[in-house]
Amino acid sequence: AQTVTQSQPEMSVQEAETVTLSCTYDTSESNYYLFWYKQPPSRQMILVIRQEAYKQQNATENRFSVNFQKAAKSFSLKISDSQLGDTAMYFCAFIPGAYNQGGKLIFGQGTELSVKP
Amino acid sequence: GAVVSQHPSWVICKSGTSVKIECRSLDFQATTMFWYRQFPKQSLMLMATSNEGSKATYEQGVEKDKFLINHASLTLSTLTVTSAHPEDSSFYICSAGSGNTDTQYFGPGTRLTVL
Repeated sequence: AQTVTQSQPEMSVQEAETVTLSCTYDTSESNYYLFWYKQPPSRQMILVIRQEAYKQQNATENRFSVNFQKAAKSFSLKISDSQLGDTAMYFCAFIPGAYNQGGKLIFGQGTELSVKP
Repeated sequence: GAVVSQHPSWVICKSGTSVKIECRSLDFQATTMFWYRQFPKQSLMLMATSNEGSKATYEQGVEKDKFLINHASLTLSTLTVTSAHPEDSSFYICSAGSGNTDTQYFGPGTRLTVL
């Protein structure tokens, strides 16, 4: 079975501090695509960062970076210098398989992050 | 770029009526569109996958006669909830992907309330 597990239902962090959200997944595929999506109170799903499994280098987007451990099937998200606008539900997801024309996303259960002033 | 819109954003209807939700890709051609359902504080549940010009593929447990999906063009997919009942009340989200990318782009969602 192909699954995504986010073991932290809720987390909180002080503004300007760093927080790491955990994600593990299970697949028998050798290539796949990994994503973190953010869903703020508006409920609009926003792509935060993506990682191609065949790339060893960890993806980075401004304050957001990932720690991709392929052997451990782990894909954690680090948010640096947390801002109030980072308050949201964060979903880890992946698309199993090789190059894929918009394949099915498999989502984790989500982690609700609160950034406190 | 990669903007997906949904209409309406919020709809209230009476039990037994049908409701149509539109999903449009505004600046790219969406070869594949996906429909999700989401309950409060929960993850997204994939309902069906639709490819332009062909019948939608429904996930196990989703009633295809209840949730009619049409993907008539590369920029428009519709979800019709037929004979809606209060248990169909939920947040419905569409996403779209194009043939040259693995990334899906999401619409803002539609909140359906059935009285």
